[in-house]
Amino acid sequence: AQKVTQAQTEISVVEKEDVTLDCVYETRDTTYYLFWYKQPPSGELVFLIRRNSFDEQNEISGRYSWNFQKSTSSFNFTITASQVVDSAVYFCALSESTGANSKLTFGKGITLSVRP
Amino acid sequence: EAQVTQNPRYLITVTGKKLTVTCSQNMNHEYMSWYRQDPGLGLRQIYYSMNVEVTDKGDVPEGYKVSRKEKRNFPLILESPSPNQTSLYFCASSFLPIRGEAFFGQGTRLTVV
Repeated sequence: AQKVTQAQTEISVVEKEDVTLDCVYETRDTTYYLFWYKQPPSGELVFLIRRNSFDEQNEISGRYSWNFQKSTSSFNFTITASQVVDSAVYFCALSESTGANSKLTFGKGITLSVRP
Repeated sequence: EAQVTQNPRYLITVTGKKLTVTCSQNMNHEYMSWYRQDPGLGLRQIYYSMNVEVTDKGDVPEGYKVSRKEKRNFPLILESPSPNQTSLYFCASSFLPIRGEAFFGQGTRLTVV
């Protein structure tokens, strides 16, 4: 069965600090997809990124970057020069491409607080 | 605009009073599912549907029902709500299998007293 572990539950940083959110996953599939979602205080889920298991290239989007390492089954998310607007709950999720239920399995989420 | 629409956004009800949370998507997605979000537990899948008239249980189906009579709609039914069903609920839709982004509704915050 697939599983996603976000060991950090709460992180608090001061504005402009860099912060890394960890995500470790378990799956038996060779083809799978990893996601990060952001949930701001307003409650909606905002899609941030998708990565498939065959693409280990790191990705950078503005202040956000993602490090995917199959060898350690990790898909970590770094925010550079954090801002107060980054305060949210961040979820890592995994989807396998086979099986009757192609569902998203979520980690428990990391609450990030960025203080001014 | 591609979207998943849930209603209502907020609901307070009493134990045992049947309720329905509606979900509708306009992207012609085959796959729809319901999740509940609880503090410290993340999002857990309640039910899912692979297509019209095809539904199945997720990880936490007890106390819930669903139906998929049309491709665009996937209502969540609580026949006899209990306080332990107080939660934040999300509907999601996507193409199959989930290779791309899953689209989520805005969430329904349900309180059962």
